[in-house]
Amino acid sequence: AQSVTQLDSHVSVSEGTPVLLRCNYSSSYSPSLFWYVQHPNKGLQLLLKYTSAATLVKGINGFEAEFKKSETSFHLTKPSAHMSDAAEYFCVVSDPNTPLVFGKGTRLSVIA
Amino acid sequence: DGGITQSPKYLFRKEGQNVTLSCEQNLNHDAMYWYRQDPGQGLRLIYYSQIVNDFQKGDIAEGYSVSREKKESFPLTVTSAQKNPTAFYLCASSPRTGYEKLFFGSGTQLSVL
Repeated sequence: AQSVTQLDSHVSVSEGTPVLLRCNYSSSYSPSLFWYVQHPNKGLQLLLKYTSAATLVKGINGFEAEFKKSETSFHLTKPSAHMSDAAEYFCVVSDPNTPLVFGKGTRLSVIA
Repeated sequence: DGGITQSPKYLFRKEGQNVTLSCEQNLNHDAMYWYRQDPGQGLRLIYYSQIVNDFQKGDIAEGYSVSREKKESFPLTVTSAQKNPTAFYLCASSPRTGYEKLFFGSGTQLSVL
């Protein structure tokens, strides 16, 4: 069965500095991988999606993630954090014909 | 507008009571899901349905029941057997299971009186 591990439960960065949210996955197949974001009192929004095309995936709001099969990783990055990026981020894995499996989440705080 | 509607937004349950959370979608999606969200636990799958009149248990199905009599509707019943029901419940749908972006409802916060 597939699984995903988010290595940090909380990440704190200063505004304007880079963001790195780490995610490792386990899958018996070539999985699809996603990052979702949940802002306080708002619904879940898809940031980006990897499905075996280009290994570097660009998403909304300047976020991107790189699929590294050798490291079974799918880390989320952004060059410069903005206050509006403060939210909960979920790494998600999916195998064929199975529901998406969510990580436990990483809470990103951005300090002015 | 197309989307997923969950109701109610807030729900309170008394001891020994069954309560039902509503989820309706007009996206013509085959697959529907119920997730439970607890702080620090992420989203955990309760039940999912790949097609009408069929559903499968997820990772934490005990104390819950579902039905899928219509394509657009996937209600979740939290039974008295669920001893720790306080949580945020999210319904989602996708065109099919796996490999697909999920479309989420706005959620229902269930609390125990």
